[in-house]
Amino acid sequence: DIQMTQSPSSLSASIGDRVTITCRASQGILNYLAWYQQKPGKVPNLLIYAASTLQSGVPSRFSGSGSGTDFTLTISSLQPEDVATYYCQKYNRAPFTFGGGTKVEIK
Amino acid sequence: EVQLVESGGGLVEPGGSLRLSCAASGFTFSSYNMVWVRQAPGKGLEWVSSITTSSDYIHYADSVQGRFTISRDNAKNSLYLQMYSLRAEDTAVYYCARSPSSGSYYSVYWGQGTLVTVSS
Repeated sequence: DIQMTQSPSSLSASIGDRVTITCRASQGILNYLAWYQQKPGKVPNLLIYAASTLQSGVPSRFSGSGSGTDFTLTISSLQPEDVATYYCQKYNRAPFTFGGGTKVEIK
Repeated sequence: EVQLVESGGGLVEPGGSLRLSCAASGFTFSSYNMVWVRQAPGKGLEWVSSITTSSDYIHYADSVQGRFTISRDNAKNSLYLQMYSLRAEDTAVYYCARSPSSGSYYSVYWGQGTLVTVSS
C-alpha cells in the first residue's frame, strides 16, 4: 500500500508568515490528492482537491501544488483562524490513506 | 443543505458489536460514493471504508478488514457500518462523509461524528 508522509508534524509561525506543509506519497498518485483542515474540536473541512484546485469558499491564501509523489500546501499569509491540523489524503485507489497531519500554531 | 447525521455510537466491551448509521439529507444520496473515517482520541484521521453508489465496489482499511461491514440503503438515504469483534484500538469518533461525485473518493461533506468507546 502507498504510504503518505507529512512534514513537519507541527510548526509555529507568526501572523502574516508564509507556511508550507509537505505531503509525500511512497508511490506516484498523479494528482489524486486532497488537503483538509481540522480546527480544534471541529469536523475536518476540505480545502483542496486534485492537488491544486481550491474548494469553493476556501480563502485564496491557501494553495496546493505537486503531482506524482510530492505535494505542498501553502498558506501565503498565516491568519489566527488558520490554527488547525492539516491532513493530506490520497484518493487514486483504495486504501484512501491520510497523512499523519501537521499541527499549525501561532508563534 | 447537505446534512449527514451519525448515530449508534456508545460504550461496548471488547469483542462486542455495534452498528453505526448515517442519515443523509439535502442531496440525491444514491448519486454519491460514501465513506467512513475515524479519529481516535488525540490522533489523526484514518480512512475506514468506502462504498460506491450501487454498492458495487467496497473497500476497507486493513485494520478493519474482516471485522467491519459497510452498507447503504439508497431508498432510506442511509449509510451503515456494522462493526464486529471490537477492540480497544477501535475507540474513536466515526465520521460519515460524502464524496463530490460517483467517480471520486475524497470527502466534501462530513457529519459531526459518533463516538465509539471499546472498554471493559
